[in-house]
Amino acid sequence: DGGITQSPKYLFRKEGQNVTLSCEQNLNHDAMYWYRQDPGQGLRLIYYSQIVNDFQKGDIAEGYSVSREKKESFPLTVTSAQKNPTAFYLCASTSGQYQETQYFGPGTRLLVL
Amino acid sequence: AQTVTQSQPEMSVQEAETVTLSCTYDTSESDYYLFWYKQPPSRQMILVIRQEAYKQQNATENRFSVNFQKAAKSFSLKISDSQLGDAAMYFCAYRSGLSGGGADGLTFGKGTHLIIQP
Repeated sequence: DGGITQSPKYLFRKEGQNVTLSCEQNLNHDAMYWYRQDPGQGLRLIYYSQIVNDFQKGDIAEGYSVSREKKESFPLTVTSAQKNPTAFYLCASTSGQYQETQYFGPGTRLLVL
Repeated sequence: AQTVTQSQPEMSVQEAETVTLSCTYDTSESDYYLFWYKQPPSRQMILVIRQEAYKQQNATENRFSVNFQKAAKSFSLKISDSQLGDAAMYFCAYRSGLSGGGADGLTFGKGTHLIIQP
């Protein structure tokens, strides 16, 4: 079945550690996105990528990094520079004539030990 | 920058009744898209309905419909015949129509928690 997968479902990070969240899609979508969701808040954009080997910072990119080596994959690394990483992380990709409609993966919950 | 405001942190409705969730937005653009997403306890974000700003006709998807008032910058969601499975967080989102290729992402409101009373 076509869709967006994220792994792991839960991730624990120790202080000073970098961790990487996986996002894969087999929908042949060009654009992919990473969002962060904090309790009681809407989603905020971290990074996005329109094509392979290209990506742009969103509103809250500090402390995060991404890569887009393959069309299907858009991993997010939460670096030690991100001082408050505990959140729910959602990956999305776009469909539609103007790639305006975003579809989301199931998310990854990141907790700091 | 665009902003999206959902003024109702929580709404409650009896099963089988109708409920309307409010959303207002601020933009200087004339071309854009608006969305309602549902986030159940599983936390999966599910697209409920979308509206293109250039279309005057309000979008409808089964029991879900919107009231899009472009001049007032209002985009409310009406859920008819509410069902227990409708209980969730509902997020209103905005996407600029100026950028091609799906750029810039979505701007979200803070959400409305919808409770369905059996």
